[in-house]
This record gives sequence, C-alpha cells and structure tokens, in this order.
Amino acid sequence: KAGVTQTPRYLIKTRGQQVTLSCSPISGHRSVSWYQQTPGQGLQFLFEYFSETQRNKGNFPGRFSGRQFSNSRSEMNVSTLELGDSALYLCASSLISGARNTEAFFGQGTRLTVV
Amino acid sequence: AQSVTQPDIHITVSEGASLELRCNYSYGATPYLFWYVQSPGQGLQLLLKYFSGDTLVQGIKGFEAEFKRSQSSFNLRKPSVHWSDAAEYFCAVVDASKLTFGTGTRLQVTL
Repeated sequence: KAGVTQTPRYLIKTRGQQVTLSCSPISGHRSVSWYQQTPGQGLQFLFEYFSETQRNKGNFPGRFSGRQFSNSRSEMNVSTLELGDSALYLCASSLISGARNTEAFFGQGTRLTVV
Repeated sequence: AQSVTQPDIHITVSEGASLELRCNYSYGATPYLFWYVQSPGQGLQLLLKYFSGDTLVQGIKGFEAEFKRSQSSFNLRKPSVHWSDAAEYFCAVVDASKLTFGTGTRLQVTL
C-alpha cells in the first residue's frame, strides 16, 4: 500500500513570502502530524490533525498553521517566511489520534529553503 | 515533560562489528519508545518499537533494542553492521500522538 506522500519535495522561497506544503497520509490513516527538522533544533513537533481538527500543537509562532481535509490529506502553511524557517518538514500519519500505542509513518519530507 | 537523550552524536564502527546506540528517556509513566533511522535527505523509517511486554524487541534490518526501566534506557543494538547501515538514528518517546525525539546519533561505517 502507498506510503505517506509529501509534495513538493523541494521548495525555494524568498523572505516574506508564504508557502503551503501538502501531505497525503497512508490510506485509512486519519491522524496527520507535522515536524520541523533543522540542524540546530533537531526534530520538533509542529501540530497534529485528526478528523479535520487540530488536536495538539507545538511551540511555534502563529505564522505556522495547518488544516486537514475530509479525506485526511493535510496542508501546512507558513506565512511571512524567515530565513530560520529553512528546514526539512516531515509529515507523519497514524491510524488514530491520542493513543500512545500507535505507530507514526513518515513521508520523505519537503525541503524548504528561504533566501 | 518527556525527554529523550542520545549521548553519542557520532559513532564510527567497522563493517561486521557490533553496534550499540544509547538512548535514555524521561517519562512519568511507562514509556512507549521508538527507534527511527534517517538516510541523508530522506524521511524517517521506523526500526522498532516498545509498547509493553517483552523488554527485548526485534525490529527490521537485524536491529534489536532492550528496554531497561531501572536505567531509563532503550539502547539499540545490531550484532554485525553493514555499510548500508550508515545513517542517522533517532530515539523517540510518544505522548498523546506527539513524538519527542532525541538529537540523533550519526553512524559512520568503515570498510
């Protein structure tokens, strides 16, 4: 069965612009989480969506937002891009939300470069 | 709050040698723990998980990990490393669907 699909794989944006990243979870999975990975901060949780509702949120500014559609696909948006937003953004899908004994499967990531 | 510590930033082993990557966790209850591997520019692949039960868990690619509550550790092991195991390895603990990762250990394999 198909894995987690993230598009695009690479993006170059200019400071001040906004960007939208997309994630299609594994078929049947209803929870989608987003993580930011940078050399300095490592892997950090951004937010989780389940049944079109944000269930959990990490410690990121309001410029970072997301949404989930009825087919479980998710998008995350970053407005007013800063150089420090350059990172690998990873999406993870899980069958359900809130249960600790559930595995998260990750996509290949979207590499965002802000210039 | 939960946390994970991976004390070794970088480890180099010879192909065929054994490997142990260290992971220490801090969590108020019984932790649910994971090891992920990441090749350069790629996403994370789940190697193995510990939810409960047997403290020695087997994973993919010949990896295993042992959960030791008394030491708050979940170390990853492999008896014989292959050159293709060169990658970055992350230990993680989950709470309410949120994964908290360690800083990772980069494994280099020499031939």
